Amino acid sequence: DQQVKQNSPSLSVQEGRISILNCDYTNSMFDYFLWYKKYPAEGPTFLISISSIKDKNEDGRFTVFLNKSAKHLSLHIVPSQPGDSAVYFCAASEAGGGADGLTFGKGTHLIIQP
Amino acid sequence: DGGITQSPKYLFRKEGQNVTLSCEQNLNHDAMYWYRQDPGQGLRLIYYSQIVNDFQKGDIAEGYSVSREKKESFPLTVTSAQKNPTAFYLCASSMALSWAAGELFFGEGSRLTVL
Repeated sequence: DQQVKQNSPSLSVQEGRISILNCDYTNSMFDYFLWYKKYPAEGPTFLISISSIKDKNEDGRFTVFLNKSAKHLSLHIVPSQPGDSAVYFCAASEAGGGADGLTFGKGTHLIIQP
Repeated sequence: DGGITQSPKYLFRKEGQNVTLSCEQNLNHDAMYWYRQDPGQGLRLIYYSQIVNDFQKGDIAEGYSVSREKKESFPLTVTSAQKNPTAFYLCASSMALSWAAGELFFGEGSRLTVL
């Protein structure tokens, strides 16, 4: 059973506009969430994270919002740039630590159109 | 520079052969992980190790084996028992077991193709 869901396999956004990537989770024990960005044939790179004690975390053009009651988080990229075209993975970890790693969603392929 | 090195980047294997993927890190991280990525799938955990000489099975460990004889190294062997080994394999490491302190650092990946 998938505990982290990214229901949009792909998303196309015009350059300069806002990109919004969504992620839902089912495990109420998750308390730390991360977004990773991945280019083809490369390893994922960490983008931004948020702890469950917060509802927003911002880093430059990237903002992650967390709605615990809805078990939903989203990544906002504004303005979107061509280099943002990549696959974005949402990941989560349970309270108390993630000794067995992170639980990942299936990813959303973001395509930034000129 | 510190980082995680995976080799080889591309590997071809005949059915029935075992292959070993290398993963080395110089980040002084205690924990290391192996993930598998398939098209349209997320990253699925194969094995992980929190400390030298200790490792645990992940969600899809069948047909794989690992060793952790040194802190820096966590090789993955894909055995002939793995029914569908063609995939992109990612090695990762982390500084701490508590995610509030850090995140996973990934290698560049190894693509295994079974002919």
